[in-house]
Amino acid sequence: DTGVSQDPRHKITKRGQNVTFRCDPISEHNRLYWYRQTLGQGPEFLTYFQNEAQLEKSRLLSDRFSAERPKGSFSTLEIQRTEQGDSAMYLCASSQIMQGPNVEQFFGPGTRLTVL
Amino acid sequence: ELKVEQNPLFLSMQEGKNYTIYCNYSTTSDRLYWYRQDPGKSLESLFVLLSNGAVKQEGRLMASLDTKARLSTLHITAAVHDLSATYFCAVDIEGTYKYIFGTGTRLKVLA
Repeated sequence: DTGVSQDPRHKITKRGQNVTFRCDPISEHNRLYWYRQTLGQGPEFLTYFQNEAQLEKSRLLSDRFSAERPKGSFSTLEIQRTEQGDSAMYLCASSQIMQGPNVEQFFGPGTRLTVL
Repeated sequence: ELKVEQNPLFLSMQEGKNYTIYCNYSTTSDRLYWYRQDPGKSLESLFVLLSNGAVKQEGRLMASLDTKARLSTLHITAAVHDLSATYFCAVDIEGTYKYIFGTGTRLKVLA
């Protein structure tokens, strides 16, 4: 399967702990996005990478959140000192830079985080 | 504030009926995307609309875009149970790499 993959699929943690999620985009996709989705809502944009450069960050991304994409391949999203309000589905998506307008994003299966 | 609003939020319809989901957005954008999400699953891309007047059809679904009215529609023809899912529209914000998703429309097709 050459789609977007995310690991882990589920994470349960206690408040105050740090968690890290991984996303492997589709090969050759230069663009990588992270979103957060809470129950009954649409995905909320968190951050965007073009190759290894983080070009856009949402104000939703507090200083407890950090994302990296070393070497422009996989990406990690770390949440420090988790809070119960961080409980959500974290989605990763990738797309390919092409000439002209943006194109569709391909989403991974998501990582469901539960903070107790 | 940049908003993407969908109407209705919930839709219960009988098989065989037609209906339209509306997506209004407040930002300037010439590009709009429709996604489908099944319960507990990730998002699946349905349509990418890249210009004013764009119309795309796939099976029983047809999407259109009016950038002047900042409105997109997703029309369902002769609904079947397999179309039951949540449908999201999304726009990207000109000059940024951000996308904003709508509130979602939860569709239930009754047999």
